[in-house]
Amino acid sequence: KAGVTQTPRYLIKTRGQQVTLSCSPISGHRSVSWYQQTPGQGLQFLFEYFSETQRNKGNFPGRFSGRQFSNSRSEMNVSTLELGDSALYLCASSLVHYEQYFGPGTRLTVT
Amino acid sequence: KNEVEQSPQNLTAQEGEFITINCSYSVGISALHWLQQHPGGGIVSLFMLSSGKKKHGRLIATINIQEKHSSLHITASHPRDSAVYICAVLPGGATNKLIFGTGTLLAVQP
Repeated sequence: KAGVTQTPRYLIKTRGQQVTLSCSPISGHRSVSWYQQTPGQGLQFLFEYFSETQRNKGNFPGRFSGRQFSNSRSEMNVSTLELGDSALYLCASSLVHYEQYFGPGTRLTVT
Repeated sequence: KNEVEQSPQNLTAQEGEFITINCSYSVGISALHWLQQHPGGGIVSLFMLSSGKKKHGRLIATINIQEKHSSLHITASHPRDSAVYICAVLPGGATNKLIFGTGTLLAVQP
């Protein structure tokens, strides 16, 4: 069974631009969670989607948004990029409540 | 005070040594994860625990729910074990929102 895939793996953007990251969960998994990892703040929860509905949201500004499609694939969008948005963005999918399988991440660099 | 605390923050060991990394948390949880991240790499889930003890190869993870404490042990450590080890807890309720510790950077020297 294929694992969680994320695209793109690496991305360089300029301040003020917007970016969309994609996550395809393991087949059959309906929950997708997104996390941000930075050297200063470590790993932080962004949001979770389950069956196309946002079930939980972390403490991030409204510039960070996401959605989930009927096939459980999820996207997250960051608008008006700032230098501090440079991070590794991870998604994780789960079938049951407490198991999470992480994707390889998208490394975003904002210049 | 962070909800999830790990110790030590940094650990250097010689190949073959027995290693213990500790995790304490202050919230009620439904599960605890131990994660591994190699430099520049993604995250791999090593264990998910809700009680007791699990073993996988040279890795052993234990959890004491009453004491809100978990440990990750590495037996016969090897340089390839060098990585950041992260403890993450899943609070109770219908959510997959993990709360992470700050990680333990392990370096195993040959």
